[in-house]
Amino acid sequence: GESVGLHLPTLSVQEGDNSIINCAYSNSASDYFIWYKQESGKGPQFIIDIRSNMDKRQGQRVTVLLNKTVKHLSLQIAATQPGDSAVYFCAEIYNSGGSNYKLTFGKGTLLTVNP
Amino acid sequence: DGGITQSPKYLFRKEGQNVTLSCEQNLNHDAMYWYRQDPGQGLRLIYYSQIVNDFQKGDIAEGYSVSREKKESFPLTVTSAQKNPTAFYLCASKLLGEDGYTFGSGTRLTVV
Repeated sequence: GESVGLHLPTLSVQEGDNSIINCAYSNSASDYFIWYKQESGKGPQFIIDIRSNMDKRQGQRVTVLLNKTVKHLSLQIAATQPGDSAVYFCAEIYNSGGSNYKLTFGKGTLLTVNP
Repeated sequence: DGGITQSPKYLFRKEGQNVTLSCEQNLNHDAMYWYRQDPGQGLRLIYYSQIVNDFQKGDIAEGYSVSREKKESFPLTVTSAQKNPTAFYLCASKLLGEDGYTFGSGTRLTVV
C-alpha cells in the first residue's frame, strides 16, 4: 500500500506463513533493483537483487519478482520467522552512463512476525 | 575484516551548532554516499562522491557539506543552516563498475 504521512505501510504475519512485500519504482530506465532489510537502529542489509532483464530471482527463502510493465517489485519470504521482523526497502539503480549511478529507495514496509 | 564504519552511533547537537559525522571504509570502494532517513520515510540522498576531491549534491544537499580528501573517508557536516537536522544518517560505499552497495550502521543525530 501507499504510505501516508510518517506511517510506514505495515504487514503483520504469523510465524511460518509466507510474506509478500510490494514496491513500486519510479524510473522505467532503472536497470538494477535491490531489496534491503533494516532492523531498528541499524543500516540496511542486502537481501537479494535482480536485473531488469530478469523477472524472477530466488535466494534462500526469498524470491524477488519484477514486473517492468507496471514498474513493480515484490519480495516473497517463505516460512517467515520472528527474525525476519524489520523494515524492508526496495531500491532502484539507474546508470545514466559511465560510472554515474543513482540509487533511489522506496519508503519501506514494516514487517512484523507474530510467534 | 573490511567494512564501513560510522561514528558516533548517537550524537546530540545544540541548535545553531555545526556537527561532523564520520564515515570510513576499508573496502577500497571508489564511491561514497550520505543518506538521511526520517521516520516512516525512505532514504534520501544528501551528497555523493565518486573520486577523491570531487563530490556532487544529492536531492537534499541544502544545509550540509562534505569533503573527500582521502578515498577511505567521507565526513558529513551538518551546518546550522539545516533547519531540521534530527534524523538517522547512513553512509554507503560502492566499487565503481560493480552493483553492490555497502552500508554503515548509521548515526542518529538529535538536536536538543
